Amino acid sequence: EPEVTQTPSHQVTQMGQEVILRCVPISNHLYFYWYRQILGQKVEFLVSFYNNEISEKSEIFDDQFSVERPDGSNFTLKIRSTKLEDSAMYFCASRGPDGYEQYFGPGTRLTVT
Amino acid sequence: GQNIDQPTEMTATEGAIVQINCTYQTSGFNGLFWYQQHAGEAPTFLSYNVLDGLEEKGRFSSFLSRSKGYSYLLLKELQMKDSASYLCAVKNTGFQKLVFGTGTRLLVSP
Repeated sequence: EPEVTQTPSHQVTQMGQEVILRCVPISNHLYFYWYRQILGQKVEFLVSFYNNEISEKSEIFDDQFSVERPDGSNFTLKIRSTKLEDSAMYFCASRGPDGYEQYFGPGTRLTVT
Repeated sequence: GQNIDQPTEMTATEGAIVQINCTYQTSGFNGLFWYQQHAGEAPTFLSYNVLDGLEEKGRFSSFLSRSKGYSYLLLKELQMKDSASYLCAVKNTGFQKLVFGTGTRLLVSP
């Protein structure tokens, strides 16, 4: 069964550094998302991406964040200058053209020190 | 704004039936989702309801009442592996995002 994949599984970085989190959505999916989950808290929406542009973003997704689909398979989330409070699990998700459900990848655990 | 409420924690016994409730307050409702999340893992899609009524899928069923802003997830013949958090999430018309509740942590004991 096709699945969303994410790399790396765990990233440790120092405050102020840039990080890029990578995702490969399910191949025929057209809608892509990033969510995050701070330890012990609920899953929070960051951004959705469709037809090569951002279709929706949350208040969390400020100027420090950006997304890109550099080729036909990858979908990336960049945090330009990480802060301690960016430490969380970041999930990529994708949705097909006909379905409603979003399929989540295994996540990248980001630790900012 | 939106408000999604679920019980924080529930316990049940292997082989039993458990019902996890979710109430929501939102405008432009366009679907309710249930996800299962084991500790340290990704949410896994369980069910989707957009019309009133019961959707059954094996041991899991999900119910929706739009007029009451209420849904429940019913798990039958509980197994130890069902110990996980169960997340209720709502989608609104015109928006792509899912808005998640805080989740209900279910502990299944022998």
